[in-house]
Amino acid sequence: SAVISQKPSRDICQRGTSLTIQCQVDSQVTMMFWYRQQPGQSLTLIATANQGSEATYESGFVIDKFPISRPNLTFSTLTVSNMSPEDSSIYLCSGELSWNEQFFGPGTRLTVL
Amino acid sequence: DAKTTQPPSMDCAEGRAANLPCNHSTISGNEYVYWYRQIHSQGPQYIIHGLKNNETNEMASLIITEDRKSSTLILPHATLRDTAVYYCIVSGSSNTGKLIFGQGTTLQVKP
Repeated sequence: SAVISQKPSRDICQRGTSLTIQCQVDSQVTMMFWYRQQPGQSLTLIATANQGSEATYESGFVIDKFPISRPNLTFSTLTVSNMSPEDSSIYLCSGELSWNEQFFGPGTRLTVL
Repeated sequence: DAKTTQPPSMDCAEGRAANLPCNHSTISGNEYVYWYRQIHSQGPQYIIHGLKNNETNEMASLIITEDRKSSTLILPHATLRDTAVYYCIVSGSSNTGKLIFGQGTTLQVKP
């Protein structure tokens, strides 16, 4: 198994600002992903964080709004840029140890005022 | 869009078996069935997965029909801590590890 931590666990931000969320895995993982979970909803995949190259974004998500870095096999960051109240969500990262068995972080609860 | 259909909610008495159904009639030959659950205010937790044979681990059993168009997750002795949203997900090598979550089933275990 793997333990995934996220920082910050929660934040309250002002409209127009940006927040960077960190995701740390305690072991090397092949794949890392970022999800968004809006209030009362299921998880929506934002992107696959690729080590050493640009992230692969899902339909409806763009790099300018959600830049992602993954400098190594245990760490990734997601930035939520130019935030608006509609970005208020829980953001979760996950890592894949074995094929399609993913471990999830506890999430970052973001509120945008 | 998710490739699975699940009932939105179910109740189960504590100590009884919880049987959660999932329909995946469009599943392709190389796709697995995965089950995750999300307890309130936590990240999702992997439970079990299978291809075509029934599977069992310390958490649950997965029963997949012979035609693979549906499956059932069984929690043999549900406890109050099993109250969660349960997600049935179909995914294969073509998905490059991506998990597409549907709305899941909210299981309420009652004393």
